[in-house]
Amino acid sequence: AQTVTQSQPEMSVQEAETVTLSCTYDTSESDYYLFWYKQPPSRQMILVIRQEAYKQQNATENRFSVNFQKAAKSFSLKISDSQLGDAAMYFCAYRSSIYNQGGKLIFGQGTELSVKP
Amino acid sequence: SQTIHQWPATLVQPVGSPLSLECTVEGTSNPNLYWYRQAAGRGLQLLFYSIGIDQISSEVPQNLSASRPQDRQFILSSKKLLLSDSGFYLCAWSRGSHTQYFGPGTRLTVL
Repeated sequence: AQTVTQSQPEMSVQEAETVTLSCTYDTSESDYYLFWYKQPPSRQMILVIRQEAYKQQNATENRFSVNFQKAAKSFSLKISDSQLGDAAMYFCAYRSSIYNQGGKLIFGQGTELSVKP
Repeated sequence: SQTIHQWPATLVQPVGSPLSLECTVEGTSNPNLYWYRQAAGRGLQLLFYSIGIDQISSEVPQNLSASRPQDRQFILSSKKLLLSDSGFYLCAWSRGSHTQYFGPGTRLTVL
């Protein structure tokens, strides 16, 4: 079974600085998808970024980028120029590409990010 | 564009009472639908997923059940709530792009 591990329960960053959130996963599959979701105090899950395992290029969305290391099974999220609105819980998630698994997501336990003004 | 709705937003129920949470998706057809539960603000646990009407898979055996009476409607139910059923329930949909999009959630408190 696949697992996702986020080893940093809490992280803190100064406004305008850069922070990296860590995520590792375990799988025997070669094709899959990885995601980072943000959960602000409203608790709605918001997609931040996604990465297809077959793509070597790291995904980027504005100030958010990932460092995808497939061999190491590592998928870290870098937030540049941190803003107060980035404060939230961040979840790393894995999705198998196998059809009969229904596309379900396996989540890590989350990292709570605080941004200091 | 697609939108996903959940209701109610909050619910307080006594132990032993029934439960019905509803999730509907607009702007797409034949989506995959999911129910997750989040306890104590931490990781999400998948409860049920559905790839079509009356096609529902259960991930965790418990006193909850799910139904999909219409293509874009997903309902989470219980005949008798337990204290341990308290939590934040999130519905999500996906289609094609494989990305799951989440609804606003329902906060359930069982007393």
